[in-house]
Amino acid sequence: QVQLQESGPGLVKPSQTLSLTCTVSGGSISSGSYYWSWIRQPAGKGLEWIGRIHSSGSTNYNPSLKSRVTISVDTSKNQFSLKLSSVTAADTAVYYCARTDVMPDLAWFDPWGQGTLVTVSS
Amino acid sequence: EIVWTQSPGTLSLSPGDRATLSCRASQSVSSSYLAWYQQKPGQAPRLLISGASTRATGISDRFSGGGSGTDFTLTISEVEPEDIAVYYCQHYGSSPPYTFGQGTKLEIK
Repeated sequence: QVQLQESGPGLVKPSQTLSLTCTVSGGSISSGSYYWSWIRQPAGKGLEWIGRIHSSGSTNYNPSLKSRVTISVDTSKNQFSLKLSSVTAADTAVYYCARTDVMPDLAWFDPWGQGTLVTVSS
Repeated sequence: EIVWTQSPGTLSLSPGDRATLSCRASQSVSSSYLAWYQQKPGQAPRLLISGASTRATGISDRFSGGGSGTDFTLTISEVEPEDIAVYYCQHYGSSPPYTFGQGTKLEIK
């Protein structure tokens, strides 16, 4: 059973870069059958899709964040990562990683990581 | 861009009541690529339903989904205290960016 686990600093200063990693266990990120996504959720608010990556390195980003987001993959470590630059308090949220199938008709998010809270504050 | 609207915002029911949650699209979608997720307090979202009506592995048969076109529903036949959560819908199958409905909060009286 595939499991995802987010990790990274819980506190980031304004204007700096947020960096998170999602470690995949129970399956290979290199299988090619999946996209690996980042999703975030400010406290008390809804879910916002940030972007996704395929093991080939192909990415898609949410246009609302595209100028500040970079998602990368490290197949040797079975991990993928998120970098969000020039953060502000508005980027304070719980960040989740999740998996989707590459087939559009199977592309729901499952499973999800447990999430990690990132606070942007000086 | 299709906008997905969930209603009601909050649903307050007694144990044993039937819950009907709505997810409506701003324009008709040609597929039933609709997923429902359950997010219990302090937890990550969990897939409940895919393909508008197919329960995910391990999901109670008290949960059922339906609909097509612009209107989709999630029904909980007899709500239990453990069902306290926010429920989100999400349409997949199209090109990203992906969006979620704003959620329906289920409260138990």
